[in-house]
Amino acid sequence: EADIYQTPRYLVIGTGKKITLECSQTMGHDKMYWYQQDPGMELHLIHYSYGVNSTEKGDLSSESTVSRIRTEHFPLTLESARPSHTSQYLCASSGEGEPPLHFGNGTRLTVT
Amino acid sequence: ILNVEQSPQSLHVQEGDSTNFTCSFPSSNFYALHWYRWETAKSPEALFVMTLNGDEKKKGRISATLNTKEGYSYLYIKGSQPEDSATYLCALSGSARQLTFGSGTQLTVLP
Repeated sequence: EADIYQTPRYLVIGTGKKITLECSQTMGHDKMYWYQQDPGMELHLIHYSYGVNSTEKGDLSSESTVSRIRTEHFPLTLESARPSHTSQYLCASSGEGEPPLHFGNGTRLTVT
Repeated sequence: ILNVEQSPQSLHVQEGDSTNFTCSFPSSNFYALHWYRWETAKSPEALFVMTLNGDEKKKGRISATLNTKEGYSYLYIKGSQPEDSATYLCALSGSARQLTFGSGTQLTVLP
């Protein structure tokens, strides 16, 4: 049973469109993360948040933005999608200390 | 950015065989080492989090060891089964407490 939910699972969209990838968790975790993965490549951290109204950029530069208005919700937005944004986006959350990450099922984004 | 390397990149084994993979990482700035299993069409699932040099953890037929001084961790699967087929990811938590992932080892267990 999933405790962290991502929607949509798949998205095909044209260049220039604004999109928002949704991520919600029901575990009350303060820490949430967005990872990007290109085929055959590593997961790269693009955004993270340690609590409400706290967001930081990760190791990999990304044109996307995030917000954290509520503990359970961490949406990612692309204002103007481009083919270079085609990738898989994974959301994750974790509790205090050094616990493992809980991942969502991911969103596979294709920008045509 | 920390460099986490996994080998082999992919591996095919017969059902019943035992196998192991390697995760190498810089030994400085080490805080914790994570292992995840990622099955196709599912989300990555945590297997182990290890923090101490010499740590050994076990979960059923899967076990892992950690050597922080030389910067490596091994993941072992005893008696592989087709349901073990997945990509196995390791990730390093360094001083910044962010996870840096390796590119994974893709395991296929043939019946």
